[in-house]
Amino acid sequence: QVQLQQSGPGLVKPSQTLSLTCAIFGDSVSSNSATWNWIRQSPSRGLEWLGRTYYRSKWYNDYAVSVMSRVTITPDTSKSQFSLQLNSVTPEDTAVYYCARLSGNLMDVWGKGTTVTVSS
Amino acid sequence: DIVMTQSPDSLAVSLGERATINCKSSQSVLYNSNNKNYLAWYQQKPGQPPKLLISWASTRQSGVPDRFSGSGSGTDFTLTISSLQAEDVAVYYCQQCYSTPYTFGQGTKLEIK
Repeated sequence: QVQLQQSGPGLVKPSQTLSLTCAIFGDSVSSNSATWNWIRQSPSRGLEWLGRTYYRSKWYNDYAVSVMSRVTITPDTSKSQFSLQLNSVTPEDTAVYYCARLSGNLMDVWGKGTTVTVSS
Repeated sequence: DIVMTQSPDSLAVSLGERATINCKSSQSVLYNSNNKNYLAWYQQKPGQPPKLLISWASTRQSGVPDRFSGSGSGTDFTLTISSLQAEDVAVYYCQQCYSTPYTFGQGTKLEIK
């Protein structure tokens, strides 16, 4: 059974960098059939896909246009995990952040979520 | 981007009665090469991540009660709960995984009347 375990701080100051990690159990970040995604949820934006990383003979990333200039998703093959970095955060980035596996074009496994508040 | 629009935004149904939630995509999510609709339905309860209920528009995930069913193709989809149970109170979302950015509907809040 695949599980995703999220970690990272729940409070980030404005203009700083939000960093979260998603550890994968029961699958591999280097899987040739899955992609590894970050999604956030807030009352104002609903569920918003932020981006993904995946391996198909080499590493690829895709990002949402809304955050493209500020976001980086990075795989870590030595620990089978992937990370989200969001730079220059503002209070509008306050949300619950989820990592999720997409396999067979289905987001079938989700992390439990991390509530991140951007505040000084 | 593919815009997903759900209706209604909220719904109150009596226990044992039918609940119907609609989802419309701004463009077709039917992949012609395999004749599959890249449309999923999720259930979300407070404090929990979304739970995948139905994939490919109409395939129930393992363990999902058979009172949940999905239908539709192309741009118009429906989630039906045939006989509402108390544990079905939740927010329901549709999502397209046809193309990035993967987009979700705004959610439908289902309550007991």
